[in-house]
Order: sequence, then C-alpha cells, then structure tokens
Amino acid sequence: GQNIDQPTEMTATEGAIVQINCTYQTSGFNGLFWYQQHAGEAPTFLSYNVLDGLEEKGRFSSFLSRSKGYSYLLLKELQMKDSASYLCAFMDSNYQLIWGAGTKLIIKP
Amino acid sequence: DADVTQTPRNRITKTGKRIMLECSQTKGHDRMYWYRQDPGLGLRLIYYSFDVKDINKGEISDGYSVSRQAQAKFSLSLESAIPNQTALYFCATSDLGQGDTGELFFGEGSRLTVL
Repeated sequence: GQNIDQPTEMTATEGAIVQINCTYQTSGFNGLFWYQQHAGEAPTFLSYNVLDGLEEKGRFSSFLSRSKGYSYLLLKELQMKDSASYLCAFMDSNYQLIWGAGTKLIIKP
Repeated sequence: DADVTQTPRNRITKTGKRIMLECSQTKGHDRMYWYRQDPGLGLRLIYYSFDVKDINKGEISDGYSVSRQAQAKFSLSLESAIPNQTALYFCATSDLGQGDTGELFFGEGSRLTVL
C-alpha cells in the first residue's frame, strides 16, 4: 500500500532553524514535493526532489533519501511569515500525488 | 489576474441543493484536478482530467460529478449536497511535458458550507 506521514504541528523561534520530516511508503515513486499553505489560502510550490540528496533554494532546502522513504524540509533564519502549514506529497507510479496531512509550523518571537 | 480562478469563493447552501463550483485557467495546461481539504486530513483527489475527453475518478468521487467543457474549464458538481461535503475545495492544473515536474498550480479555493 501507500502511505505518507508528517508531524501534525511544530513550534520554532524567529531566526532559528527548523526541520520538518516526512516519511512515505510506495511501490512506485516519481518524486517528492513540498508545498507551503498559509491559513485559508492555496498551497504554493516550494520544492521537488526526485534524486537523493539536498536541494537548496534560498532559506529553504529539501532532502530526499529514496532508499529510506524519507524527506525533510529545512527552513533557516525563520521569519514570522513562515508560519504556515507545510505539505509533503509524493508522486506515485501513475503520476498521482499522495498528500500528507500537513505540518502546522508556529513561529514565536 | 490569477492563473487559476475558482468561483464562487464562498458558498453556503442547504442539504439537497445542487451546487456547481467552476474553475478556469490561463496556464494552457492539459491536466486539471479537483481536491477537497478538511482539517487534519491531506488533500484528497475528487476527479481529474488529462484532456477534454478524459475524465477520471479520484480517491473520493462519490457524490460528485465533473465536466470538462474546454481545455481551460473544469467544473465540479454536487448533485445533492450533504453536510459532510462541507470543506474547502481546490482546483489545480499541471503539465507533464518535457522538463516539467508535475508541479500543481492551485486556484484560491472555494469554501463550501452545507447546512
């Protein structure tokens, strides 16, 4: 079967670093996505990993290990505007996205 | 203007009423999707369409129907709304052409409340 899991909620301090983990199980894999979603708004694309390793994009980085079924999103120099939900999703063998429930990130001053 | 536009943005209706949510896009993408989002759950796929003549059921299609009127338009209908269809609905588009990742582009969402 297929499943995906990420923590429900995390809290971090402004200016700090936070890592949001995502684990998944699937027989067919065509990449892993991270999206950001502010409350009441649409998800917006952050990153896509299809090969193992770290992809860095400004303050945000995403890591993938296909053998471990594991990814993380790393956010550096946290700002208050980073308070949002972060959605992890993998693309299966039919090119359909399977979504995690999202991690709500709370940033405190 | 948004690339993916949903109407209405908010709707309150009563049990048993027919509701249509509309989606139009200017991105020129062939693939369009309807998702619903409920608190504590991931996005769940209702229907998707890879071109005008292609309609596919998603994970939770019961109680819903869709129409792909043109490449740019994809409508979701609730024939007889029930309270557990109260949710935030998103339309999305994607393109899996060469060099594309399959990234989804979402509309702003339609919040539906069924009383």
